[in-house]
Amino acid sequence: ETGVTQSPTHLIKTRGQQVTLRCSSQSGHNTVSWYQQALGQGPQFIFQYYREEENGRGNFPPRFSGLQFPNYSSELNVNALELDDSALYLCASRGDRGQETQYFGPGTRLLVL
Amino acid sequence: QQPVQSPQAVILREGEDAVINCSSSKALYSVHWYRQKHGEAPVFLMILLKGGEQKGHEKISASFNEKKQQSSLYLTASQLSYSGTYFCGTYAYSGAGSYQLTFGKGTKLSVIP
Repeated sequence: ETGVTQSPTHLIKTRGQQVTLRCSSQSGHNTVSWYQQALGQGPQFIFQYYREEENGRGNFPPRFSGLQFPNYSSELNVNALELDDSALYLCASRGDRGQETQYFGPGTRLLVL
Repeated sequence: QQPVQSPQAVILREGEDAVINCSSSKALYSVHWYRQKHGEAPVFLMILLKGGEQKGHEKISASFNEKKQQSSLYLTASQLSYSGTYFCGTYAYSGAGSYQLTFGKGTKLSVIP
């Protein structure tokens, strides 16, 4: 039990739609990162938020956007869904000290048809 | 920028040992190891910091060669529960004052009776 929760657990959308995934971090963890994990691959870094500001972004287009709220919750929004967006989406939170362990939530499995 | 893991897959009998390697082309501040079982989120195993400090699992050990940007995970006297995919994550400066954790493609470990 990592103290990081995500909702929903599974989601089916059609191409072109928009989706919002939610994450609740451990209390006190001001950094949240979002990852996309395709089948058989490692988690790919999407972006990272620290105290409600984006402070790092991977190689993902602008249609992937996020928000972080003061209550340790965050969102990942994906617009204009494509078939290749089908994946497990993971959020992970960590504390403020430089080398803190990052704890993953259970993930949201998104299927785009 | 993605760390390279080897081997891609390994099959062990219970009680045998294995080594999983991880190398990066970037200067690293730390290396993080995770294990992921099928359909589940990655679970933290160990973090190795510059300077030699380690934090993590009691029965699994690892090394971090800071000069070569390489890390190895040592699994001794393997148990059936060790089966899963092992990911190394490399924590490095990504620009604009931020750091990010980037994962390799994973090493699939199967332990058989």
